[in-house]
Amino acid sequence: RKEVEQDPGPFNVPEGATVAFNCTYSNSASQSFFWYRQDCRKEPKLLMSVYSSGNEDGRFTAQLNRASQYISLLIRDSKLSDSATYLCVVTHVYTGGFKTIFGAGTRLFVKA
Amino acid sequence: GAVVSQHPSRVICKSGTSVKIECRSLDFQATTMFWYRQFPKQSLMLMATSNEGSKATYEQGVEKDKFLINHASLTLSTLTVTSAHPEDSSFYICSARGLAGSDTQYFGPGTRLTVL
Repeated sequence: RKEVEQDPGPFNVPEGATVAFNCTYSNSASQSFFWYRQDCRKEPKLLMSVYSSGNEDGRFTAQLNRASQYISLLIRDSKLSDSATYLCVVTHVYTGGFKTIFGAGTRLFVKA
Repeated sequence: GAVVSQHPSRVICKSGTSVKIECRSLDFQATTMFWYRQFPKQSLMLMATSNEGSKATYEQGVEKDKFLINHASLTLSTLTVTSAHPEDSSFYICSARGLAGSDTQYFGPGTRLTVL
């Protein structure tokens, strides 16, 4: 089982739609959680951190459920420019350092 | 957010040559830098973690003698792909972590390596 799993998609949605992605992680000791966005042939860019209390940034809402070990990302009122791959990222501490695990990403296509 | 630069952005080389990629943190001191590789339509794969002034820690399956990493200062890490072969063609991305108390990584723009 992968440490971080995401539905690869693609999700094809019309402009204005609301779309949600989920991501599950296997290490219950994971400490930090993030959503990154990666455009085709570009580097990942931090979208937002994820907290148990929820985190909202404009049209984007992220949520962490530690009991079920999943995080979610909700995008409201989708724009064409939201088309990208969304990466779920989890970090955990182990003896000797900390490790960051990337999910394989969920592809989103927003169409006019 | 913090800025990380990477150079070159694109390189094409002949099989058997060595290629050096630089990663710089421009506005903060990066105590830890990471090197990733990403093949088309695949996820980022961590190759190694480097801490300033010490030897890099390589992930399982990554040859340390082939992928030489040097983290000589708090703002610069280099990755040298030695004796490159076509199968080394990939997108190499560095990231830096250095802001106190933060797990956030800031990524460089990546280097697309093509080995002929």
